[in-house]
Amino acid sequence: EDKVVQSPLSLVVHEGDTVTLNCSYEVTNFRSLLWYKQEKKAPTFLFMLTSSGIEKKSGRLSSILDKKELFSILNITATQTGDSAIYLCAVLRGGNKLTFGTGTQLKVEL
Amino acid sequence: DGGITQSPKYLFRKEGQNVTLSCEQNLNHDAMYWYRQDPGQGLRLIYYSQIVNDFQKGDIAEGYSVSREKKESFPLTVTSAQKNPTAFYLCASSIWASGAGGFNEQFFGPGTRLTVL
Repeated sequence: EDKVVQSPLSLVVHEGDTVTLNCSYEVTNFRSLLWYKQEKKAPTFLFMLTSSGIEKKSGRLSSILDKKELFSILNITATQTGDSAIYLCAVLRGGNKLTFGTGTQLKVEL
Repeated sequence: DGGITQSPKYLFRKEGQNVTLSCEQNLNHDAMYWYRQDPGQGLRLIYYSQIVNDFQKGDIAEGYSVSREKKESFPLTVTSAQKNPTAFYLCASSIWASGAGGFNEQFFGPGTRLTVL
C-alpha cells in the first residue's frame, strides 16, 4: 500500500526561527514529490521535485528530494506569522494521481 | 476570474440521506478530482475524471458516486452507504497529463465541509 508520512505532525515556533519539515514515502510508480501549503481552505502549490539532490527555492522556502532514502525536506527560514499553515507533502503516481501525507501543522508565534 | 468554485461551503445532512456537492471550474481543464480530508489523515482521492463522460475510482470510492456530463462540472454525491461522511471535501482540476513525464498542477477549490447529524 502506498504510504506518505510527514513529521512532525505539528510544531510551534517563534518568528525568525528556521524550521524543517520532513516527508518520507513508500509508493509504487513514483514520479515526483510535491509540497503544498494549506492556510484555510484550498491547498496551494509550492514545489515539485523529481530529481534527487537538486534544491528548489522560492524566497525563504526551499526543498530537496532524496530518492535513494525516499524522503524530502521543506525548509522555511526566518519564519513569519504568515507562514502558519498546514504543509502537505504528496507523491505523484501514474497518471496525475496524488497520494498525500497527513500534513504538518505549523504555527508561528510573535 | 478563472477558478474553481464549490458549493455549498457548509452542509448538514441527516443520517441516511444522500447529498450532492457541487464543483465547477472555468479553467478549461480536462481533468477533475474529488478528495476527502479528515483531521490527521491528509487528503485522500475519492474519484477522478480525465475527460467528459469518463471517471475512475480513487482510493476511497465506496459510498460515493460522481458524474461528468460537462467539462466544467464534476458533482459528487455522498450516499447513505458512506459510513463516515463527516469530513472536508476538496475538488481540484488540472490539464490531464498523459505519458510518464507529464504533470500538470492541480488547482483546488475552497472546499465543502459536510457534517452528518
